[in-house]
Amino acid sequence: EDQVTQSPEALRLQEGESSSLNCSYTVSGLRGLFWYRQDPGKGPEFLFTLYSAGEEKEKERLKATLTKKESFLHITAPKPEDSATYLCAVQSTQGGATNKLIFGTGTLLAVQP
Amino acid sequence: GAGVSQSPRYKVTKRGQDVALRCDPISGHVSLYWYRQALGQGPEFLTYFNYEAQQDKSGLPNDRFSAERPEGSISTLTIQRTEQRDSAMYRCASSNLAGDSYNEQFFGPGTRLTVL
Repeated sequence: EDQVTQSPEALRLQEGESSSLNCSYTVSGLRGLFWYRQDPGKGPEFLFTLYSAGEEKEKERLKATLTKKESFLHITAPKPEDSATYLCAVQSTQGGATNKLIFGTGTLLAVQP
Repeated sequence: GAGVSQSPRYKVTKRGQDVALRCDPISGHVSLYWYRQALGQGPEFLTYFNYEAQQDKSGLPNDRFSAERPEGSISTLTIQRTEQRDSAMYRCASSNLAGDSYNEQFFGPGTRLTVL
């Protein structure tokens, strides 16, 4: 069964303190791995898509990396406005053409000034 | 419109009533998805459409749940004979099949359903 596990569940950082969030996945065949940011009361906001092991993508203070078993979201010198829940999701090749996303439970990040 | 819109934003209903939730995807987006999100959890897939065709409904929990997209644009998720366990945030997303970004799903603000 396709599964996504995110850790830690919650992370508190001081402004400027770099860290990484982990997303471990089990999937029969990976079509894509996605990172989203979700602010309280809002829908998930798309950040990155990664398709193959070794791929990396960057956006401002965020960098996402992918291996065959996990993905990391690295946050460099975070600011308070980076505080949010970060969701990881996978698309599997199982089941044919379905494009459904399988989400993890997220990491709640709090960055203190 | 600029983004995915959903209505109503909040719906309170009594157990046993039917509800209809509406999703208006990003203009031109071919694919439309419905998810349900419990507090503190990631979204859980319900169903999705390409154009007007329902491609996958494997996530619909039971036969009280149904969805349609008759003209390939706006979609309605209907829950019949609502139960308290149906209370959740219902989210819609859309994506464009064309180009390098075809896999990216853009989410709406959601409809918060409360069944009393």
